[in-house]
Amino acid sequence: DVKVTQSSRYLVKRTGEKVFLECVQDMDHENMFWYRQDPGLGLRLIYFSYDVKMKEKGDIPEGYSVSREKKERFSLILESASTNQTSMYLCASSAGLAGGTDTQYFGPGTRLTVL
Amino acid sequence: GQQVMQIPQYQHVQEGEDFTTYCNSSTTLSNIQWYKQRPGGHPVFLIQLVKSGEVKKQKRLTFQFGEAKKNSSLHITATQTTDVGTYFCGRAGGGNKLTFGTGTQLKVEL
Repeated sequence: DVKVTQSSRYLVKRTGEKVFLECVQDMDHENMFWYRQDPGLGLRLIYFSYDVKMKEKGDIPEGYSVSREKKERFSLILESASTNQTSMYLCASSAGLAGGTDTQYFGPGTRLTVL
Repeated sequence: GQQVMQIPQYQHVQEGEDFTTYCNSSTTLSNIQWYKQRPGGHPVFLIQLVKSGEVKKQKRLTFQFGEAKKNSSLHITATQTTDVGTYFCGRAGGGNKLTFGTGTQLKVEL
């Protein structure tokens, strides 16, 4: 079974702090994704990565950055956390099949509260 | 990415009643995926539809892809409390990226 883990289940930070959310997958997947989930807005893509050191902006990248130094690890960085970044953050990975859209496997999520 | 419209946003049913959620797009979809998220859990893949008019079944769940490949539906027959959760559709956004709908939250009452 694919396992996607996230560093924290719950996190509380203060406005202006730098926040790191870590995600690790154990299935040698090419693709990794960061989403935020808010009531009524569904899952919105922040950033994704097709390969090590490669990243692309999703639909809502403002206020976030990412890092993928190793294939199995994808980090989401909030350079200066703000209250409107209080949300559930979900990491996902997928194998990266050529010519198709493959299944995404999600981690358990990190509920971030910014005070 | 262009988000798919998903309706309804919420649905309360009595156990045993049927339930349907719909995903609609203004543009043709190459494929669509469905995920289920239990309360307190994370989204889990259910199925992918690729062909025009495709119908797939998983026990009490029936998934359909429209003939024009612009809409899809998930129908649950005779809901049970284990069906509680939020159901998301996701459209292919190019390069293995998915754009998800806003989800339909299903509550089942005894």
